[in-house]
Amino acid sequence: GENVEQHPSTLSVQEGDSAVIKCTYSDSASNYFPWYKQELGKRPQLIIDIRSNVGEKKDQRIAVTLNKTAKHFSLHITETQPEDSAVYFCAVRAAGNKLTFGGGTRVLVKP
Amino acid sequence: DSGVTQTPKHLITATGQRVTLRCSPRSGDLSVYWYQQSLDQGLQFLIQYYNGEERAKGNILERFSAQQFPDLHSELNLSSLELGDSALYFCASSVEGGTTEAFFGQGTRLTVV
Repeated sequence: GENVEQHPSTLSVQEGDSAVIKCTYSDSASNYFPWYKQELGKRPQLIIDIRSNVGEKKDQRIAVTLNKTAKHFSLHITETQPEDSAVYFCAVRAAGNKLTFGGGTRVLVKP
Repeated sequence: DSGVTQTPKHLITATGQRVTLRCSPRSGDLSVYWYQQSLDQGLQFLIQYYNGEERAKGNILERFSAQQFPDLHSELNLSSLELGDSALYFCASSVEGGTTEAFFGQGTRLTVV
């Protein structure tokens, strides 16, 4: 089955700096790559997604890049703010439509 | 509000008991997913239904079962509960299973004592 690895597991950045989280996946048939943000005790919320026919997508301070050849994709957060502190999950949807999540990255933005 | 409704929000029960968690997907969504999240852990995929049929299965224990009804709501049944089953159980829904967004409910926090 699909295997999704996410790195790093924790990330501490200074307010205003950039944060980058990377995910790799195993199934080359995967075609949908969302990112979710989860605050403590709350539900995961979709923040951005990318489909396999697109290499990059940006939404204000958040961007995602996809390299299908290498089977990895990344989340970039620029000008980080304290409210960006949360756990971020990447996910991959492959054949059979199962949505598989990475292990999560705990991001702490220090003021 | 994601439009996905899960009940109950909290559930405390004893070991050996059986509970049922309920999920109402967003209006128009045909696909429902169930995930288990233990303390400080990731999201473990349990099972997916699409328009009433099982579509994909993850590491779901035999003590757990689920179904999706004709009105598209779904129930996750957990039986012979163990302390280790204590977790946050999330339901998510999407229009279909392909490249469409999945939206999560608020989750049901299950505590087994």
